[in-house]
Amino acid sequence: GAGVSQSPSNKVTEKGKDVELRCDPISGHTALYWYRQSLGQGLEFLIYFQGNSAPDKSGLPSDRFSAERTGGSVSTLTIQRTQQEDSAVYLCASSFLAARGEQYFGPGTRLTVT
Amino acid sequence: TQLLEQSPQFLSIQEGENLTVYCNSSSVFSSLQWYRQEPGEGPVLLVTVVTGGEVKKLKRLTFQFGDARKDSSLHITAAQPGDTGLYLCAGGRVSVNDMRFGAGTRLTVKP
Repeated sequence: GAGVSQSPSNKVTEKGKDVELRCDPISGHTALYWYRQSLGQGLEFLIYFQGNSAPDKSGLPSDRFSAERTGGSVSTLTIQRTQQEDSAVYLCASSFLAARGEQYFGPGTRLTVT
Repeated sequence: TQLLEQSPQFLSIQEGENLTVYCNSSSVFSSLQWYRQEPGEGPVLLVTVVTGGEVKKLKRLTFQFGDARKDSSLHITAAQPGDTGLYLCAGGRVSVNDMRFGAGTRLTVKP
């Protein structure tokens, strides 16, 4: 079966432009996470979706960041007016049960803001 | 402030040495997981522990969950260059129905 997929794999954008990053989770997984990982660093939690509940947005670093999950499946992370400090790898993960479920990660999207 | 504190942050050892890395918290977790991440890839799950005091072995890797379910350790015996990577722990809390990651231990095993 297919794992978590993310697109694009790489994105180079100019400062001030908006970008959209996509995540296709494993079918049937109810929990979906977005993380940011700067070079050589651990995972920074951004946002968490669980079923039809309101998402936990507590990790979003600013109001330029937003995310949606349509139909309980595909998710899109949008960054508006990108800044150079937004450059990082953005990882998506999904799991069947949030608190006990193993997270399956996508390969990530490497975002470079020039 | 990290919910899960991992130590050491960096570790560089010679092939054949043993090592232990730690994951500590003041919170109680319903489960705890260890992941390894290699450059250019997403983290990959190594193990899940759910019972206080639980010990799991995966070849040369031994994972232990603390009795109070607040901490965990990963011990590697006779480390090999292939063990090189970023080791991340993640804790699950039923009360808030999510899991959070520590910052990781970056291990380098030199041949």
